[in-house]
Amino acid sequence: GAVVSQHPSRVICKSGTSVKIECRSLDFQATTMFWYRQFPKQSLMLMATSNEGSKATYEQGVEKDKFLINHASLTLSTLTVTSAHPEDSSFYICSASLGGNKGYEQYFGPGTRLTVT
Amino acid sequence: AQTVTQSQPEMSVQEAETVTLSCTYDTSESDYYLFWYKQPPSRQMILVIRQEAYKQQNATENRFSVNFQKAAKSFSLKISDSQLGDAAMYFCARGRDKIIFGKGTRLHILP
Repeated sequence: GAVVSQHPSRVICKSGTSVKIECRSLDFQATTMFWYRQFPKQSLMLMATSNEGSKATYEQGVEKDKFLINHASLTLSTLTVTSAHPEDSSFYICSASLGGNKGYEQYFGPGTRLTVT
Repeated sequence: AQTVTQSQPEMSVQEAETVTLSCTYDTSESDYYLFWYKQPPSRQMILVIRQEAYKQQNATENRFSVNFQKAAKSFSLKISDSQLGDAAMYFCARGRDKIIFGKGTRLHILP
């Protein structure tokens, strides 16, 4: 149980275009979903926390107008990178949590590699 | 700043031996959780072990155990009988509603 999927796994887009990444909890309804960014050989950097039906909470330094997060249901959150530029190229990982019901464990998706040319 | 520090960027251990990965953290919270996550080359994050800060007993999961020293804010991971499949990046993390990760320790298993 507790499987989280991400789509697409890899995406290449041209500079100036937007790209959407989907995160789904397949067999449970998540209390909260999280979006992380991971640069090569570095740790996960939390970008934002998302609860269903409410606005996402962004971490300091993360542009909310550039990284649009929509949390449409308890099983789906999307991250849209708007007007992408090469510096947005990175590995994006989502996770889903059941909160205190499961010791705040986060279940991670397999990640999406974004390359902006 | 509420940080998680992993002082060992890389470690190596002989197969079947035991290795300990260190982690210290800083927090002003009294109720929090500590985690060790593993990230193999596939980059899929996998939970290795979890510790509730209010529990004094150290968590164990098969070959994985922790040494949790709350006063010292230390949370080390011991891997016994190391296997080739244990080779990965290991991230220590602290939090509750959101998790803060350390920079990771890359573990190499020598055959």
